[in-house]
Formats: sequence, C-alpha cells, structure tokens
Amino acid sequence: EVQLVESGGVVVQPGGSVRLSCAASGFTFDDYTMHWVRQPPGKGLEWVSLIIWDADNTYYADSVKGRFTISRDNSKNSLYLQMNSLRTEDTALYYCAKDIDPYSSSSNFDSWGQGTLVTVSS
Amino acid sequence: SSELTQDPAVSVALGQTVRITCQGDSLRNYYATWYHQKPGQAPVLVIYDKNNRPSGIPDRFSGSISGNTASLTITGAQAEDEADYYCASRDSSGNLRVFGTGTKVTVL
Repeated sequence: EVQLVESGGVVVQPGGSVRLSCAASGFTFDDYTMHWVRQPPGKGLEWVSLIIWDADNTYYADSVKGRFTISRDNSKNSLYLQMNSLRTEDTALYYCAKDIDPYSSSSNFDSWGQGTLVTVSS
Repeated sequence: SSELTQDPAVSVALGQTVRITCQGDSLRNYYATWYHQKPGQAPVLVIYDKNNRPSGIPDRFSGSISGNTASLTITGAQAEDEADYYCASRDSSGNLRVFGTGTKVTVL
C-alpha cells in the first residue's frame, strides 16, 4: 500500500524558513515524479512544485519560484520542500503527491499524503 | 501560467446527472485531470487522461473534452458524490501544473 506522510509543519514568522518532509513507502520511490500541492484554509488547491524521478529537473509555480526549493533523497525514499522568505499568503496545508505512472510527469496524482500545516504569522 | 476556470457551485438531485466544466486555453493541448475532495480529506483522483478512471472509482464518473473546455459528468449522482471537484492540467508552457478554481457539488 502506498503511503505518503508529510511532516515539518509549524507556525513561523513572515520572512522565516521551514523545511517540509514527505516520507514515502509502498512503491519504488525513485521511479516516480513527485509534487507538492498546497491548500490555504477554506480555499482551493494550488500546485507548488515538482521534481522528476531522477531529480534532474524541477519546476515551480510562479508564486514560489526563487523562494522554495524542492529536493529528494531516493536512498531515503523522501521528498523535501525548503521554504524561505515566507509570506502570510504561504499559509496552507501542504500535501505531497505521487504521479500515477513511473517515468512520467503529468497532472495525474494518484496518491496523496494527509498534509502538514504551515502557518505564517507574526 | 494558465488559468483553469470552474463554476463555483452546482447542485444535482439524487440519481440525476450533473456536468462540471473546466475552461482554459491549455486544455486545447493537454488533457484534464479531475479530483474530488471531501471536507477534512486529501483529494482523490477521479478521472485522468481525458476519460480514464483509477481502480475503485465508479463508472458513473466520466470525462470529456471539447475545444478549451473539459467536462466531468456524474451519471446517477449519489449522496457520497457531494464534494469539491477540481480539474487540473499543465499550463500553456507544458512545464508547470495548474488546478482549476474548484466546484462545490451538492446532492439534493
């Protein structure tokens, strides 16, 4: 059974930094593109970033580009999101999600974690 | 980046058919994906690559595309289909991903 477990959510001041982690199990992690998706309280979903299976390519939403960095450690079956220069509008539940097919990169996310909450507030 | 626009809310009588639409320029070139999300839960993949259903998704869910508009149809809506529905796709560059604005479906 595929499992994705996020951690690292915290309350942080504007301008601060946070590192989120996502521990993956139940599938061959290094065969799959992984994504971060966020959801502000009471609002819709926003795609944040993706990292290809071999970590050679990463992409970011315009709203986070230059502030967030996605990475992965395939030896630890783990996905990360380093979030710097945080703003109040970054307050959200952050999900990690898995692409449906190996060696592909799509908008088809067949497994999601339960999310970790980041609150940016003074 | 591209935008995907959805109607904020629709309602459907139990057992009837409802269609949810998603409009965006990038849909002329890329498939739409559909998710539903119930309160307090993570999103669930419902339709991908235009009209494929993951295992466990009932066949009352179907997808289609016409021009720049993708549609999700629920034929014979059930009470458990009440949820928020989001479309997703690539942006116009093809590199980024984008979610629609979301549609709240109420089953009466």
